[in-house]
Amino acid sequence: GQSLEQPSEVTAVEGAIVQINCTYQTSGFYGLSWYQQHDGGAPTFLSYNGLDGLEETGRFSSFLSRSDSYGYLLLQELQMKDSASYFCAVRDRGRRDDKIIFGKGTRLHILP
Amino acid sequence: DSGVTQTPKHLITATGQRVTLRCSPRSGDLSVYWYQQSLDQGLQFLIQYYNGEERAKGNILERFSAQQFPDLHSELNLSSLELGDSALYFCASSVDRGGQETQYFGPGTRLLVL
Repeated sequence: GQSLEQPSEVTAVEGAIVQINCTYQTSGFYGLSWYQQHDGGAPTFLSYNGLDGLEETGRFSSFLSRSDSYGYLLLQELQMKDSASYFCAVRDRGRRDDKIIFGKGTRLHILP
Repeated sequence: DSGVTQTPKHLITATGQRVTLRCSPRSGDLSVYWYQQSLDQGLQFLIQYYNGEERAKGNILERFSAQQFPDLHSELNLSSLELGDSALYFCASSVDRGGQETQYFGPGTRLLVL
């Protein structure tokens, strides 16, 4: 089947670094994306990995290892406004279907 | 503001009824996606249209249908509504930059079925 696993909650301190992991199981992997969603808001795109390695966008970085079916989102210099839910998502283009699968989200709590 | 618009923002209706949710993508985006987000199920992909044609399909119920019109706006039709259909429904549009697909989400329509 198809599934994504990510931790339900993570807590970190303002100014610190936090890593949110995502493991996936798909039949036809076609890229891993990360989205941020604040309470009451819509998801917003953060990062995309189509190939192995690290992608950096400001304070956010994302990593992918296709051989390990694993990726992570790294948030540096945490700010209180980073308190939100973070979702990993995979495009699965199998032989018979094409769908997008989201993880259940990781709620990031930031302590002052 | 993502540039994607959705109407209405809120919708309250009764079981057994039918509703239509509307989405206008960002200017120039050809793809439109529909998602359902409920507390216990997270974000569920329903369906994708690309330039008027169905491109990808998720776990969309038979009671639900969607279409994309020539002007690229899309509508999601939900019929024979049940209490469990109460959720936030998001539309997203996307642009493909060399294989990287970035989705821009609208503000959502909150549906409450009583």
